[in-house]
Formats: sequence, structure tokens, C-alpha cells
Amino acid sequence: DAKTTQPPSMDCAEGRAANLPCNHSTISGNEYVYWYRQIHSQGPQYIIHGLKNNETNEMASLIITEDRKSSTLILPHATLRDTAVYYCIVRVDGTSYDKVIFGPGTSLSVIP
Amino acid sequence: DTGVSQNPRHKITKRGQNVTFRCDPISEHNRLYWYRQTLGQGPEFLTYFQNEAQLEKSRLLSDRFSAERPKGSFSTLEIQRTEQGDSAMYLCASSLVFASTNEKLFFGSGTQLSVL
Repeated sequence: DAKTTQPPSMDCAEGRAANLPCNHSTISGNEYVYWYRQIHSQGPQYIIHGLKNNETNEMASLIITEDRKSSTLILPHATLRDTAVYYCIVRVDGTSYDKVIFGPGTSLSVIP
Repeated sequence: DTGVSQNPRHKITKRGQNVTFRCDPISEHNRLYWYRQTLGQGPEFLTYFQNEAQLEKSRLLSDRFSAERPKGSFSTLEIQRTEQGDSAMYLCASSLVFASTNEKLFFGSGTQLSVL
């Protein structure tokens, strides 16, 4: 599975949109982009995933560039409870997670 | 749906002792994964089960580590002759997989192991 690159940390003011970037320049055509987040003292939690179209759910929006080499996770109105480490990963649909690499992620701090 | 449950939450042991962790996945989830996580790093894959069959093991999983999933329900991870380098958070995740669905992992809160 392809590897991803994320900034180590970001700050966001409460109530503003948080835009978390992810680079996956070696992504293959059949690899999906997934986002998980990990709040302190908890296990990671699934947020959203997509292949090439933009996706939105109740938690976030995922914007994937046309060349699919990068993506952005958007939390439209960040709250203090969104403070967490966010992981961007890529994986081939239909395969298990054994080859998936969770990097160190982006530590997002939402500031009052 | 009561979520993935892991016990104990914390374990302190002396070097050389054996430890065992338990994971109860979400009911009817057919896949179960074990990960290890150290401070500032993402989870590292250790092993996974499809029902009761252990399908893959990482090179990280030395012969001191063994995992089981009898009857395809709960799972245990045992570490024999613990070393200080085994100190980490051990995470369990489960998922429901059929056909070619987009697999989503549901993680437990982990077991924090400290080897003195």
C-alpha cells in the first residue's frame, strides 16, 4: 500500500474550519483514501473514506485532488472535542489492513 | 453494539514475566486485528484473524508473542518473557467484511503495558 505524508501538528480556532492535508503521491488507481482520528486515551475512530470523488458525512468532508496525489480532510466547525491525532491512510478495497501503514498523523489542537 | 472491549486497561509487570491481554470484538464482526502503538507513533500492525483463522503476522511479532481467537469470538494476545521494549499500548480492532466492502476498523481503547 502507498505511504502518506502529513504535517506533524496544526492549530485551529474553535468554530472555524479545520483543513488537514495529506500527501499520497504514489497512490495507485485502486487505492482508497481513509481518515481515522485518535482522541487521547482512546483507540482510533473511522471518519471517512473516498476514491476520487469528494465525500461528505456527518463528521467531515474529504476533498481529493483530480490527480489523486493529495487530499484534505475538512472539519467544518471545529470544536474542542475535535482535538485529536488524525491519520490519513491508503488501502486497496477488498484487502485487509495488514499492509496499511499508519504514520504519526497530524496532531490537531482546537483552541478556544 | 457495545463496542470493542479490551482488558485490562493497564498492566504493569516485571521483566521476564508473561502477560495476557483480552479483546472482545463487536458481536458478529468476522475480522480481528492486533496493533502495537508507542508514544507519538501510529498503530503498528501485529496480526489479524478472519473468524478463528490467523491469516497474517507481522515481522514485529517475535516468537515470544502468540495470539489466539478460539471459536472466532474473543481473542487473546500473550507475551512471554516480557522485555522493557515491549512497553507500549496494545490495540485491538474488529471489522465486518463480506464481498468487497470498504472495510472500516472499530478500535478498542487498548491495554497499556509497562514492563519494569
